[in-house]
Amino acid sequence: EAGVAQSPRYKIIEKRQSVAFWCNPISGHATLYWYQQILGQGPKLLIQFQNNGVVDDSQLPKDRFSAERLKGVDSTLKIQPAKLEDSAVYLCASSLSIRDYEQYFGPGTRLTVT
Amino acid sequence: ILNVEQSPQSLHVQEGDSTNFTCSFPSSNFYALHWYRWETAKSPEALFVMTLNGDEKKKGRISATLNTKEGYSYLYIKGSQPEDSATYLCAHNTGNQFYFGTGTSLTVIP
Repeated sequence: EAGVAQSPRYKIIEKRQSVAFWCNPISGHATLYWYQQILGQGPKLLIQFQNNGVVDDSQLPKDRFSAERLKGVDSTLKIQPAKLEDSAVYLCASSLSIRDYEQYFGPGTRLTVT
Repeated sequence: ILNVEQSPQSLHVQEGDSTNFTCSFPSSNFYALHWYRWETAKSPEALFVMTLNGDEKKKGRISATLNTKEGYSYLYIKGSQPEDSATYLCAHNTGNQFYFGTGTSLTVIP
């Protein structure tokens, strides 16, 4: 079974630039999560989708971050414009359903904003 | 936001030593407690999912216990090997959301 795919794996941008990350979850997984992990902190949920609908985006900085999962499969997370404090690892995870015990993670995208 | 705390923050042990880490979490809104192993540049890998008070789980040299009444879980590694070097994350699952700790970074010295 293929795992959760993410790209790019690494990205370096200057502040005020835009960036987009892509995630392809495990086939058949209805629930998709984007996490932000800043160095020295635990992963923090940014947004959670159930199919193509948003379940929770309470911690997403909506003035600069956006995410979509148009066909209920792949998802993109965008930052526009980026700030220095956005430097982090962005992890995508998927699960069969919201109350499924298991989340499967991708390898993450390491973003550095200079 | 629920506070999940892990200790120690980092740990260096000699190959062959046994070690353990702690994860503490709010005992309210408990659905499950997850342990993950995260090696650099790889995906976090699920180790255990624990749901019942008193649960004990084991996978090879790694085991975990759960106390939901007092809100803590221990992860044990017996006879540490260099390949055990990684960050070990715990997450408190409320059924609606996962709340992660900051992780314990383990380095096993050959």
